[in-house]
Amino acid sequence: DIQMTQSPSSLSASVGDRVTITCRASQDIGNYLAWFQQQPGKAPRSLIYAASHLHSGVTSKFSGSGSGTDFTLTISSLQPEDFATYYCQQYYNYPYTFGQGTKLQIK
Amino acid sequence: EVQLVESGGGLVQPGGSLRLSCVASGYTFTDYAINWVRQAPGKGLEWVSALPASGPNYADSVRGRFTTSRDNSRNTLYLQMDSLRVEDTAFYYCARHNYEYNFDYWGQGALVTVSS
Repeated sequence: DIQMTQSPSSLSASVGDRVTITCRASQDIGNYLAWFQQQPGKAPRSLIYAASHLHSGVTSKFSGSGSGTDFTLTISSLQPEDFATYYCQQYYNYPYTFGQGTKLQIK
Repeated sequence: EVQLVESGGGLVQPGGSLRLSCVASGYTFTDYAINWVRQAPGKGLEWVSALPASGPNYADSVRGRFTTSRDNSRNTLYLQMDSLRVEDTAFYYCARHNYEYNFDYWGQGALVTVSS
């Protein structure tokens, strides 16, 4: 199985900051990488597919990059609604696997 | 508007069975696969199963105990869960999937609690 490792596991930032979360795959997954946001008690929300493409309705404050094994999610100009947990996921092959999550908290 | 609605969650004893349903609307049901993803309380996301045109796929943790099927006439995907274990306790989400966009729409989740 492909292991997905996110860093950091938690992150404190202030409103208006720009933050970057990284995700590393245990093998080459091309660009079959997605990012999700999850608020407490809510279903996940799809943000990015194919490493860098925004889903419909997702603001351009979110951006993704990378290919192969190393990927990043950058969130600019943090607003209160952005403080949540973020997950990466590979869909290169089954079983699809998720990173352990990065909890973004208000400083 | 695309919508996915899960139902069928509840409390069941270890060794018991439960069937989840995911009813889809707002798009052509047969144009997409639907996957199941679960999340134990306070834990991360875990992919459970998929039913693409090529046939079902399952996580090792549920293979042989869970079965996914679909009824295209009812726009519904099912997850039959047998021989349930305490560690299967989780919110179960269905999510629409294709290989271009991966997961795009998610249901609200159904809670399955396995406890004696």
